[in-house]
Amino acid sequence: EVQLVESGGGLVKPGGSLRLSCAASGFTFSNYSMTWVRQAPGKGLEWVSSISSTSGQIYYTDSVKGRFTVSRDNAKNSLYLQMISLRAEDTCVYYCARGLPSETLPSSNYFDYWGQGTLVTVSS
Amino acid sequence: SYVLTQPPSVSVAPGKTARITCGGNNIGSKSVHWYQQKPGQAPVLVIYYDSDRPSEIPERFSGSNSGNTATLTISRVEAGDEADYYCQVWHTSNYHLNYLFGSGTKVTVL
Repeated sequence: EVQLVESGGGLVKPGGSLRLSCAASGFTFSNYSMTWVRQAPGKGLEWVSSISSTSGQIYYTDSVKGRFTVSRDNAKNSLYLQMISLRAEDTCVYYCARGLPSETLPSSNYFDYWGQGTLVTVSS
Repeated sequence: SYVLTQPPSVSVAPGKTARITCGGNNIGSKSVHWYQQKPGQAPVLVIYYDSDRPSEIPERFSGSNSGNTATLTISRVEAGDEADYYCQVWHTSNYHLNYLFGSGTKVTVL
């Protein structure tokens, strides 16, 4: 059974940092692209970042470029999102999601399994 | 930038058909994927590549995509179908690939 479990969320002050983790199991993690999607309270889904299976391709949404860094450790079946210079508007539930098995990030990518999410609250 | 337009809400009686649209410039040239999200839960993929359905999703869910509109159709609607539905596509911005979600449509079963 495919499982994705996020952790690392919490309350952080504006300008602070946080590192999210996503532990994967039930599939060959190293074969799949992975993605972070976030959702502000009461709002819709927003794509944040994607990383290919070998980390050879990485993309970010414009609002997090230069502040967020996605990475993965295929030996540990884990996906990470390092977030710095956090702002109030980064307050969201952050989901990790599995994409297509690919060494690149395909335009046709979709997300077939999702974790339950971890809440990040940026507030003083 | 590329914009996906979804109606904020759709209401449907049990047993009837709900149609949720996702509008975008020449969206028919892109692969469209659809997700269902119930309150307090993670999204669930219900349609991929315009009209393919994961094995665990009921046949009542179908999709189409042509021209400037993609459509998710839910036939014989049940109370359990009440949820938010999001379309998703790709687009390029400054030569970088981005994945984009529509604003979501709340389906209410009357």
